[in-house]
Amino acid sequence: GPKVLQIPSHQIIDMGQMVTLNCDPVSNHLYFYWYKQILGQQMEFLVNFYNGKVMEKSKLFKDQFSVERPDGSYFTLKIQPTALEDSAVYFCASSSGGNTEVFFGKGTRLTVV
Amino acid sequence: GEQVEQRPPHLSVREGDSAVIICTYTDPNSYYFFWYKQEPGAGLQLLMKVFSSTEINEGQGFTVLLNKKDKQLSLNLTAAHPGDSAVYFCAVRTITGNTGKLIFGLGTTLQVQP
Repeated sequence: GPKVLQIPSHQIIDMGQMVTLNCDPVSNHLYFYWYKQILGQQMEFLVNFYNGKVMEKSKLFKDQFSVERPDGSYFTLKIQPTALEDSAVYFCASSSGGNTEVFFGKGTRLTVV
Repeated sequence: GEQVEQRPPHLSVREGDSAVIICTYTDPNSYYFFWYKQEPGAGLQLLMKVFSSTEINEGQGFTVLLNKKDKQLSLNLTAAHPGDSAVYFCAVRTITGNTGKLIFGLGTTLQVQP
């Protein structure tokens, strides 16, 4: 079936540094999402992105977070600067429409030390 | 906004037993419901989906029931096997905003003993 690819699968970074998580969404999908999952806990919505703009973001999407998809390339989540509490698994997802099935990647495990 | 409660948080059954996981949601405008399976270190695998116009959906040893009156969604495994051991999440989409956002339950860790 359709696949969302996330690169890298693991990332370890020093607190205060910048990190960019990359997502290759399903081809022809127009809606893109990031979710955050702290180990063993709930999947929580961070942000969604459509037509080059953030449509909705949660309170977890701090000012240090940003998303973009320049020229149809990777959909990225950038955190600058990182904090210890940003350690989590970040899942990218995409869908063809706002009310269609959402496909998830396998996640990027981010560890901030 | 939408709140989704999922129970139980942990469930242990023997192979061949049935298992039931229940989610209760609050927003009456919720219209699209999903069950995902997450195995250790893996992403989310879509198990089943159901629109609000459908009250029952079946497949691959699972049955999903939607009770709109009580705003309750259940996942029923009829005969569990060890390969079903995983964390299961329900997820709900509401028409409010129509941004595609999913609200997840807290998850249920299912352990199936041989």
